[in-house]
Amino acid sequence: KQEVTQIPAALSVPEGENLVLNCSFTDSAIYNLQWFRQDPGKGLTSLLLIQSSQREQTSGRLNASLDKSSGRSTLYIAASQPGDSATYLCACELNRDDKIIFGKGTRLHILP
Amino acid sequence: NAGVMQNPRHLVRRRGQEARLRCSPMKGHSHVYWYRQLPEEGLKFMVYLQKENIIDESGMPKERFSAEFPKEGPSILRIQQVVRGDSAAYFCASSKKQGTYSNQPQHFGDGTRLSIL
Repeated sequence: KQEVTQIPAALSVPEGENLVLNCSFTDSAIYNLQWFRQDPGKGLTSLLLIQSSQREQTSGRLNASLDKSSGRSTLYIAASQPGDSATYLCACELNRDDKIIFGKGTRLHILP
Repeated sequence: NAGVMQNPRHLVRRRGQEARLRCSPMKGHSHVYWYRQLPEEGLKFMVYLQKENIIDESGMPKERFSAEFPKEGPSILRIQQVVRGDSAAYFCASSKKQGTYSNQPQHFGDGTRLSIL
């Protein structure tokens, strides 16, 4: 059974710092891994999607990596801004199953 | 090109009433997924439907919950005789498939927040 774990559960950093969010998954047989952003009371915004054959994806100040063999992914945010404050969710789509398994998220607070 | 539309955005029901949550997938998408997010919990898969078919309902509670995706109209998640523990955010996602493999990401709606009094 696939389980997705995100550490830390919450994180506060001063504006301008670079930071890394961590995600681990128990079953390496994933189809893809996705990072989402969720603002309070809002829906999910897809940030980056990494196919199982890929090692990383980049979008602006965001970079996500995937290491299937170790069951880990990281989301790197460069030069953090107060607007980055949100909950970040890591999620794996399983092979031939189409379910997305979500982690509980990391609540990020960027201090102005 | 409208995204996944869910309504209502907020729904309040008293214990014992029925709740109906609607999801209109993105244009061209024929696959719908429902997820539930309980307070302080991650999103949990509930059910996966294609037009007129339930593909995977392994995440659905055994009682009181049902889902449909008719040939015409939105997908409906129905909760009968609601209880306080049903209070949660319910998210719908849609996707389209090419061939046998799932190679299109799921697009999420903004969710319906269900509150049970």
